Amino acid sequence: GDSVTQMEGPVTLSEEAFLTINCTYTATGYPSLFWYVQYPGEGLQLLLKATKADDKGSNKGFEATYRKETTSFHLEKGSVQVSDSAVYFCALLMDSSYKLIFGSGTRLLVRP
Amino acid sequence: NAGVTQTPKFQVLKTGQSMTLQCAQDMNHNSMYWYRQDPGMGLRLIYYSASEGTTDKGEVPNGYNVSRLNKREFSLRLESAAPSQTSVYFCASSESRAGVNSYEQYFGPGTRLTVT
Repeated sequence: GDSVTQMEGPVTLSEEAFLTINCTYTATGYPSLFWYVQYPGEGLQLLLKATKADDKGSNKGFEATYRKETTSFHLEKGSVQVSDSAVYFCALLMDSSYKLIFGSGTRLLVRP
Repeated sequence: NAGVTQTPKFQVLKTGQSMTLQCAQDMNHNSMYWYRQDPGMGLRLIYYSASEGTTDKGEVPNGYNVSRLNKREFSLRLESAAPSQTSVYFCASSESRAGVNSYEQYFGPGTRLTVT
């Protein structure tokens, strides 16, 4: 079935370091792809999305490009801040489906 | 707009007790969802309601029932709670149109449930 695989965390970085969180997917069709972020004690918020191959989603300095050839949607940020510490979830949504399929989440800890 | 609201925020139940988790959205969304979040497993869909008057099972529906009371409200009921249902429960909503799947889901703040 359709699934999402994320790199295991936690990922610990110093402030201003470069961030990559890997995400790959398995799907029978052409899904839309999402990154959600969960700050401590809160619900999930949409960070960015891409709906077709080669689309780049971006928001708050974060970027991810939908790569159909490698079935990937890696999250990147050039310079992380302490306030970026959170859990990041990659997710996919198939055409004609209402079911978001989530990866297991990657915890990011940014130290001053 | 409050977005998606959930009550209660925290709940402790004894095995066998029942309770209903409430969810409401004020964004006029057609679709609503219930997820559970367990450590290391991401979020898993329990039930969803594509539109008012319809509900469908998700990935982990056993032990739960839902009611789409109206367009705004979607409740989740545990008839006889079990320790395996200890989790954080999130409600979400989204716009939807036939054949369009790019609409984001908006999440509530969650209900942390412990069953002893």
